Amino acid sequence: SAVISQKPSRDICQRGTSLTIQCQVDSQVTMMFWYRQQPGQSLTLIATANQGSEATYESGFVIDKFPISRPNLTFSTLTVSNMSPEDSSIYLCSVQENTEAFFGQGTRLTVV
Amino acid sequence: AQKITQTQPGMFVQEKEAVTLDCTYDTSDPSYGLFWYKQPSSGEMIFLIYQGSYDQQNATEGRYSLNFQKARKSANLVISASQLGDSAMYFCAMRESSNYKLTFGKGTLLTVNP
Repeated sequence: SAVISQKPSRDICQRGTSLTIQCQVDSQVTMMFWYRQQPGQSLTLIATANQGSEATYESGFVIDKFPISRPNLTFSTLTVSNMSPEDSSIYLCSVQENTEAFFGQGTRLTVV
Repeated sequence: AQKITQTQPGMFVQEKEAVTLDCTYDTSDPSYGLFWYKQPSSGEMIFLIYQGSYDQQNATEGRYSLNFQKARKSANLVISASQLGDSAMYFCAMRESSNYKLTFGKGTLLTVNP
């Protein structure tokens, strides 16, 4: 099964700043997924990141706010830009292998 | 319309007893997969079990089993011999063959009492 390393595990950021979250996988994967989990809520897909092409964003999420990089088949970053307190959430990256879907440890972001 | 419905916001179970967490789904895709995850307070998502729409038998993984009733579009998780460490949030999710995205239910908070 894939092992995903995500960092930072948590951060407290000032409003108006940006935070970049990194996700490293121990095997090559075609697609990587970024999810957001707002406090007390379920997971919502932000975007799907394919290597060599622009990420595909879900309704309600835009590239200017959540730019994503996918420079190779084992790595991706998600940036949360111009943060506000409403961005306080857990952000998780995910990959899939056949019948399993794995998640990174998550980044618990608090915006003050 | 919600694709994944978990109707139990919270459940309580006594240690060593079995508990069933409900999940119903909605899809017109003939090929799909159903997943269950455990999320402890640390926030990580732990994969528990998978059921494919064409699987003939219900999936089992140790103390976890999936009661898959395709005609009813339900995929309930059964945890046998509950342990205190099972206390966590549990999410049901679906992946349709038409795309690779996971759609999650709202989750059920399970509390195991000693």
